[in-house]
Amino acid sequence: AQSVTQLDSHVSVSEGTPVLLRCNYSSSYSPSLFWYVQHPNKGLQLLLKYTSAATLVKGINGFEAEFKKSETSFHLTKPSAHMSDAAEYFCVVSLITGNQFYFGTGTSLTVIP
Amino acid sequence: KAGVTQTPRYLIKTRGQQVTLSCSPISGHRSVSWYQQTPGQGLQFLFEYFSETQRNKGNFPGRFSGRQFSNSRSEMNVSTLELGDSALYLCASSLVEGYGELFFGEGSRLTVL
Repeated sequence: AQSVTQLDSHVSVSEGTPVLLRCNYSSSYSPSLFWYVQHPNKGLQLLLKYTSAATLVKGINGFEAEFKKSETSFHLTKPSAHMSDAAEYFCVVSLITGNQFYFGTGTSLTVIP
Repeated sequence: KAGVTQTPRYLIKTRGQQVTLSCSPISGHRSVSWYQQTPGQGLQFLFEYFSETQRNKGNFPGRFSGRQFSNSRSEMNVSTLELGDSALYLCASSLVEGYGELFFGEGSRLTVL
């Protein structure tokens, strides 16, 4: 069975400080992993994806995530938060074969000026 | 390349009415998925269509239905609307071949009064 757990429902950081959004997954098979961002009243936008290539994945807007199989984690990081990063972030797991996606419950990121 | 287009963006209905939402996927994408997003339940999978066939279905009552046309455009219908159907309905398209990345539209915001 596949599932995704986002460990924090809300994260608050000061502008210019690092961001860490945590995600753990469980999957019976080799998963593809994604992080999506959603700004208010908008659709979801892909930040980055892991598909069994390099374990450190770089995405848009300075975000990156590291796939750690031993810890079944795929945490999202950014060295320095910007006000525009305030949004909802979703960790998603899917099987490489098939087209089923499993969404985490989301982490709301607040950036304090 | 144009993105995923959803219409209408906003609509207001009353209880008991029905509603039809439309989704035009990215050109060449043959898979279309629908999700319901609410503050309490988060993102919930409704169904997925590929080549006019429903491949996967989430845990929603029969009042929720969908279809896909030969040009991959998709519609979803909700009959006998209830207050709890108020939500953001998101459509996503993907290439079945490849990494299965989902591309989302901006959603249709349904308010049921």
